[in-house]
Amino acid sequence: DGGITQSPKYLFRKEGQNVTLSCEQNLNHDAMYWYRQDPGQGLRLIYYSQIVNDFQKGDIAEGYSVSREKKESFPLTVTSAQKNPTAFYLCASSIEGTGSYEQYFGPGTRLTVT
Amino acid sequence: GNSVTQMEGPVTLSEEAFLTINCTYTATGYPSLFWYVQYPGEGLQLLLKATKADDKGSNKGFEATYRKETTSFHLEKGSVQVSDSAVYFCALKDGTSYGKLTFGQGTILTVHP
Repeated sequence: DGGITQSPKYLFRKEGQNVTLSCEQNLNHDAMYWYRQDPGQGLRLIYYSQIVNDFQKGDIAEGYSVSREKKESFPLTVTSAQKNPTAFYLCASSIEGTGSYEQYFGPGTRLTVT
Repeated sequence: GNSVTQMEGPVTLSEEAFLTINCTYTATGYPSLFWYVQYPGEGLQLLLKATKADDKGSNKGFEATYRKETTSFHLEKGSVQVSDSAVYFCALKDGTSYGKLTFGQGTILTVHP
């Protein structure tokens, strides 16, 4: 079955450590996205990628970094510069970013930093 | 910039009750509109969408009509079930910003037997 996988489901880190969240898709989609979800708020876009080796900042990119070396993979690194990293992180993909194509979401990773 | 406003929640209903979740938006041009659903501990799933004015999206008994004159996309279902308990997000995508979905804050729905 095609879909998006994110791992791990739960992640715990100490303050000051960088941490990388995995996102893999086998849908052959060109576009991939990272969103952050906080309680009582909608999703906010961190980074997106239209194609391999290209990515763009979203609304809240500070303290995060990404790479897109393969079409299937779009890992997100939460750096120690991110002031409030504890959140639920969702990865998504779509056929492409233009038009009204549906975005498919992964199951999410809940990151807790103490 | 773009924005989406959803009705305040949470919403609590009895099974078989009628559901309305209000959604209004502000956007440039002619955005596409979406309703996503999130079950506990999971990612989002597309529930329905509409891409132009007066379009009606429908799925699993839910429906929403794209009303440009009132900039609204209210979600309705005639008879809710316990299994509909989830968080519902209204979202828009305009034609100028690549791929970006703008989300409302989400509405928690709880349906009791």
